[in-house]
Amino acid sequence: SQTIHQWPATLVQPVGSPLSLECTVEGTSNPNLYWYRQAAGRGLQLLFYSVGIGQISSEVPQNLSASRPQDRQFILSSKKLLLSDSGFYLCAWSRGGVGQPQHFGDGTRLSIL
Amino acid sequence: TQLLEQSPQFLSIQEGENLTVYCNSSSVFSSLQWYRQEPGEGPVLLVTVVTGGEVKKLKRLTFQFGDARKDSSLHITAAQPGDTGLYLCAGARGPAGANNLFFGTGTRLTVIP
Repeated sequence: SQTIHQWPATLVQPVGSPLSLECTVEGTSNPNLYWYRQAAGRGLQLLFYSVGIGQISSEVPQNLSASRPQDRQFILSSKKLLLSDSGFYLCAWSRGGVGQPQHFGDGTRLSIL
Repeated sequence: TQLLEQSPQFLSIQEGENLTVYCNSSSVFSSLQWYRQEPGEGPVLLVTVVTGGEVKKLKRLTFQFGDARKDSSLHITAAQPGDTGLYLCAGARGPAGANNLFFGTGTRLTVIP
């Protein structure tokens, strides 16, 4: 069966510090991968998605970047965090094709001080 | 601009009551999914509806896809505290190989014992 791991679960960082959140998927190959940010109790804002190694699409201009160095690894990064980067970050995977359900990790709660 | 609008945004009801959540759009979708998310966790898929007019039942939950495939509803009968959570609809459209699942704005449901 497929599993998705996302870490860390919580993170407290000072403004201006770098960020690296990691997500890995097991049990499938060539998944589509996604990074979302979620405001408290609200819907999901898609940040990045990837349909293959080295292929990253950005949905919104921002202070963050994403990379996919391996087929089942997706990394969310920042060189200098802003206060507005605080939030709940979710990684997800899906099979290719239209309408495939997305499977989410448990998220990372990021607090910027 | 949000492709899918959910209503109500917040809903607080007593245990045993019935409720309906709506997911509306002006766009046509090839399929629509419903997810539930509990605090501190990622969303989990509940159901996928594919055919216009389709109705699916999952115990006390009834999901309907609109005839024109632009909207959907989730009806819960005799709500229980375990139904508490954030409900998200997501519509699928667009080509494979691109992001093609669009999430709604979310409905926060609280069922009071």
